[in-house]
Amino acid sequence: RKEVEQDPGPFNVPEGATVAFNCTYSNSASQSFFWYRQDCRKEPKLLMSVYSSGNEDGRFTAQLNRASQYISLLIRDSKLSDSATYLCVVNMRSSNTGKLIFGQGTTLQVKP
Amino acid sequence: NAGVTQTPKFQVLKTGQSMTLQCAQDMNHEYMSWYRQDPGMGLRLIHYSVGAGITDQGEVPNGYNVSRSTTEDFPLRLLSAAPSQTSVYFCASSSSRGLAGPYEQYFGPGTRLTVT
Repeated sequence: RKEVEQDPGPFNVPEGATVAFNCTYSNSASQSFFWYRQDCRKEPKLLMSVYSSGNEDGRFTAQLNRASQYISLLIRDSKLSDSATYLCVVNMRSSNTGKLIFGQGTTLQVKP
Repeated sequence: NAGVTQTPKFQVLKTGQSMTLQCAQDMNHEYMSWYRQDPGMGLRLIHYSVGAGITDQGEVPNGYNVSRSTTEDFPLRLLSAAPSQTSVYFCASSSSRGLAGPYEQYFGPGTRLTVT
């Protein structure tokens, strides 16, 4: 089983739709969680950190469920510019240092 | 601030050649790491460093060496290039929070490497 798993998609949605991505992780000792966004042939960039019970930033809401070991990203009122790959990232504890492990990403395509 | 810089942007190597991918950051970040990204595989951690003089292996370290002699620089060396190392390589840095691991990472623009 992969340490961080995401549905690769692609998710094809119309403008204005609400879309949700899930991500599961295997290490129950994981301490911190992030969502990154990656545009085609570009470097990943931080979209949101996810701490404790989750947080919201404008149209984006990230939630954490430690009991079930998953995090989610909800995008409301999708825009064409939201088209990208969304990467789930988990900080794995190992030998008193953390390693960030990336999921393979979920591709979102927002259509007019 | 330039952030995280990587050179070169593109590189073609022949099998068996060696080379060094350069990475530098000017944010005084303790934590630096190297990833490779392949289609359908996501980003995989090659090596990382929690400070000058300290490095450790990630998920896919074989065929790569790193060193961290300064806070700013974290070069990645390919010892003897193989076609399986054809990939996009990203360097990243972040401030550290000790035992809890790195904060959010800032990525360089990537190096696209082809090994023939």
